[in-house]
Amino acid sequence: GQQLNQSPQSMFIQEGEDVSMNCTSSSIFNTWLWYKQDPGEGPVLLIALYKAGELTSNGRLTAQFGITRKDSFLNISASIPSDVGIYFCAGETDSWGKLQFGAGTQVVVTP
Amino acid sequence: GAVVSQHPSRVICKSGTSVKIECRSLDFQATTMFWYRQFPKKSLMLMATSNEGSKATYEQGVEKDKFLINHASLTLSTLTVTSAHPEDSSFYICSASDRSYEQYFGPGTRLTVT
Repeated sequence: GQQLNQSPQSMFIQEGEDVSMNCTSSSIFNTWLWYKQDPGEGPVLLIALYKAGELTSNGRLTAQFGITRKDSFLNISASIPSDVGIYFCAGETDSWGKLQFGAGTQVVVTP
Repeated sequence: GAVVSQHPSRVICKSGTSVKIECRSLDFQATTMFWYRQFPKKSLMLMATSNEGSKATYEQGVEKDKFLINHASLTLSTLTVTSAHPEDSSFYICSASDRSYEQYFGPGTRLTVT
């Protein structure tokens, strides 16, 4: 089946630094999504990407949909303590909106 | 807008009993609801997709008689874990999708089977 490879698995960064993570797949996805999950909570949508090559920003977050529709990256600029959490990429696999999730990137921000 | 609730948020039950988890879309009609399971420090694994008024579609390896899903209305889906065992202990998350097919996730339910 389709698999999303997300890296890195975890990141320990200092407040103010930029963060970058990415997802790749051997399969094409119609839509790429980036979510953040806090402990004990459900995922919250950060950015949705619909077109190949699309670059979208949401505040300090920037994400791009790869030209081949097989990859995406998420950047967080000038990290702050509340950026701590697990970030997941997800690809939409069919017209019903079924999602395939990456393994997640745990971000830890130290003061 | 687009709020999804789950109830209960935490539940502890004894082995062999059944547990029902509710997922509600509070301010929109959900044409499709999804149920996920998440183990500690792991990703979300899709269990099943349910459309209002029809039988749920289960992912490979998920026992439909073990995890009963009912989607009786456009705002409510339930997941019943039947004859629960300790290995069923997990974090169960639902999501609801409106006609735009964007998914909104609930806050999750922590199930512990003793």
